[in-house]
Order: sequence, then C-alpha cells, then structure tokens
Amino acid sequence: NAGVTQTPKFQVLKTGQSMTLQCAQDMNHEYMSWYRQDPGMGLRLIHYSVGAGITDQGEVPNGYNVSRSTTEDFPLRLLSAAPSQTSVYFCASSYGGLAERYNEQFFGPGTRLTVL
Amino acid sequence: GQQLNQSPQSMFIQEGEDVSMNCTSSSIFNTWLWYKQDPGEGPVLLIALYKAGELTSNGRLTAQFGITRKDSFLNISASIPSDVGIYFCAGRGYKLSFGAGTTVTVRA
Repeated sequence: NAGVTQTPKFQVLKTGQSMTLQCAQDMNHEYMSWYRQDPGMGLRLIHYSVGAGITDQGEVPNGYNVSRSTTEDFPLRLLSAAPSQTSVYFCASSYGGLAERYNEQFFGPGTRLTVL
Repeated sequence: GQQLNQSPQSMFIQEGEDVSMNCTSSSIFNTWLWYKQDPGEGPVLLIALYKAGELTSNGRLTAQFGITRKDSFLNISASIPSDVGIYFCAGRGYKLSFGAGTTVTVRA
C-alpha cells in the first residue's frame, strides 16, 4: 500500500491565484481530513469528510473548498490564495464508523505552500 | 473552548537518557494520541489511549492516559539519535485537538 499520498510536495503561488492540492489514499478509509500546520500552533483542521459525497467544515475553513467524489480522493482547493495561507498542508485518513479507530489518523507527507 | 497545552516546547537530551513530555487539557478527553513527526514528513501515530489510567507501551515509548482524563504523558527510555523529531499529543473531547509539539534534539 502507498498509504496517503499528496501532490505537489512544494508549491509557490502569487496572491490571488487558485490551485488544488491533491490527496489520495489506498486503504479504503472512510474518513479523510485536511490540516494546516503553522509554527507553534499544532495542526488545525480545515475540512473533513466521513465518506464519499459528504464533507464538512473544520476549525479554519475560510478560503478553502473540498469535495469527495470517491472514497480514495479528497482534493483541497484554494480559491484565491493569500499570504496568510502560507503553511504546510497535511491530508489524513482513518477508519470511519463508530469504532474508536477513526481517531487513529494516517498522515500524508505534506505540501509546503508559499503564497507571495 | 477545548485548550490543549503541551510541554516542554523543546528539549535537548543525552543519548541513553529517559525523558518525559506531557499534555494537559482544559476539558475532559475520551481519547489521547501521541504522534511523532520527522523533518519533512507527516506525523506518524505512536500510541493511542482510550481509557482513563491506561498505560500503553510501544517499544521504548510509554504513554499514560491521566486518571482525571485531562492529561497524558509520553516517556522515551534510553534515547537514541533517531528519537530526534517533533512529538505531538492529540486529544478528543468534542473534537480532535493537537498540541503545539515538543521538539526533541539528541546530543550524541
């Protein structure tokens, strides 16, 4: 299994540009999520999905959109990039359902985004 | 709100030492998790705890779910150079929250 994969690994954008960060998992996990990591702030949840066709907002959703058309893929779209969105973005997945194991998230390697 | 404080923020450790870090919460949690992040990589789950008082080991790592359900600690025994990295705690109350991390650097 490849686990959770993310592309690109690095990206530089200009203010106002849009782009999509890709995330895929091959573990048949129902639950997928996007986090951003900023120095000294831990991981903050942007959006999450409990299954194909279902998405919801996390702690810091403004400026980002997501969709979940398949179990495997969960892309994150930046609508109009701003310098405040400079961060490292992590996608994660886990088993869904009521079992405790949905807390045990597998993270991708991250996308390092700089917005100028 | 659900505040989660992790300490220390950073530590230098001598190879062979035992070290400890902890997380405390302003709210009761029903799950505590510990992750390690190597440079340039995503966090990797080390230990998951689901019951108050639970003590769980993973090799040289031991973590405990505090009896008050508001804290957890992680011990690393006999540190080695590959223990370098950032250790994150995470806890679930009404949501899953992450600590800011403890950066561990090993002195050879």
